[in-house]
This record gives sequence, C-alpha cells and structure tokens, in this order.
Amino acid sequence: QKEVEQDPGPLSVPEGAIVSLNCTYSNSAFQYFMWYRQYSRKGPELLMYTYSSGNKEDGRFTAQVDKSSKYISLFIRDSQPSDSATYLCAMSPRGAQKLVFGQGTRLTINP
Amino acid sequence: DTAVSQTPKYLVTQMGNDKSIKCEQNLGHDTMYWYKQDSKKFLKIMFSYNNKELIINETVPNRFSPKSPDKAHLNLHINSLELGDSAVYFCASSQEYLAGNTIYFGEGSWLTVV
Repeated sequence: QKEVEQDPGPLSVPEGAIVSLNCTYSNSAFQYFMWYRQYSRKGPELLMYTYSSGNKEDGRFTAQVDKSSKYISLFIRDSQPSDSATYLCAMSPRGAQKLVFGQGTRLTINP
Repeated sequence: DTAVSQTPKYLVTQMGNDKSIKCEQNLGHDTMYWYKQDSKKFLKIMFSYNNKELIINETVPNRFSPKSPDKAHLNLHINSLELGDSAVYFCASSQEYLAGNTIYFGEGSWLTVV
C-alpha cells in the first residue's frame, strides 16, 4: 500500500462546476498537507498549504484535512478552463525534506 | 526572474552516454532537491542537499551523482544512460528548518534516452 493514494483520473467537468479532488494516506505522522498544481510541460506550483486538521480557503479554492479519517480534499468552485491541470497532493510529518506526493489527478474543465 | 531554473529543458541522447542537468535557485534557500517524475506522473525524491551537504539519497542507481558547488546550485550527472532513465527531472528548493516550509520547483528537464 502506498503512503499516499490519489485517483489519477482523468476527471472531466463542465465549466462552472464544483470540483472535488481527494487523497487518502496511511502515515498518521503527517501534519503538513499541500496541494500542487502542474500544468502540462511545467513544474508543480504550490496551490494550497494546510497544517493539521481543518479548512483553509483561498479564493475559489478550499482545502480540507480530516486527520481522523486520514483524508484530504481540495474543492474548486466556479471552475474555469484555466484550472485544467494535474493536481498533486503532498504531505509531510515535518519539513519539506520528507514530503510525499500522491500520483496526481488530471483535471479538464470543458468550456 | 525565474526562482528555480534548470537546463537543458529537453535532452535526447543515446544509451550509454553521460549527461548533466544543471540547476540554480535565486531564492536564498538552503536546501535543494532532485525529483524524478515518471510517465505515470509519480513524483519521487532522489536527492536532497542542505548547505551543500547530502541529506537524502533515496534508492537511486549510483550512475546518478549530484554535485552541489554552493548552496544555490545543484547539478545532476548521469553516467551510462539507460532507456529506463527517460523521465522528467525536477530541481527544487526550500528553506529548511521552518515548520511547514514548502518546496519550489523548476520547470523540469525532459530526458529521453534512445
């Protein structure tokens, strides 16, 4: 079993839809949770960062962490074609050196 | 101004050759990394350097040798290239010893071994 599980998709939704992306993990030591967005032929860029459990909102993006269920989510409201990318979850017990990535979910927003 | 820059972006080479990928960061970070992303998009750490000192060396063939001349540069040299080395290699950096510090990635180097 991988430490971090993420459905690779692909996921295709119409413009304006609410998108839900999820990851599960097995290591209870993880405390720092991140979502990276990767456009085609580009490097991953940090989208959201959350410490421990709870929600964090940034514009159209909301990150949720449920440590009791070992489950994290990223919600995208009013999705736009420019949101089409691969979304990778990442998590760490402490610091960036121990960062473990999910496989990434490929998302397409159709106009 | 690019924060983490790596060259070359694309590299096509024959099996058995030796090649290098260079990386520089201008963020003032003290930790640099090499990650490998395979065709299924799995992103896995290969090496981590903190202030020019090797910190993490994952299970990587010893044909891969990182070199850090200073804390702003981390180069990757690959000897005797094999078909299975074809992948995207990402350089990255972070400021360690900050709780929750995050990694900043370069644009990637697409290596194709033929």
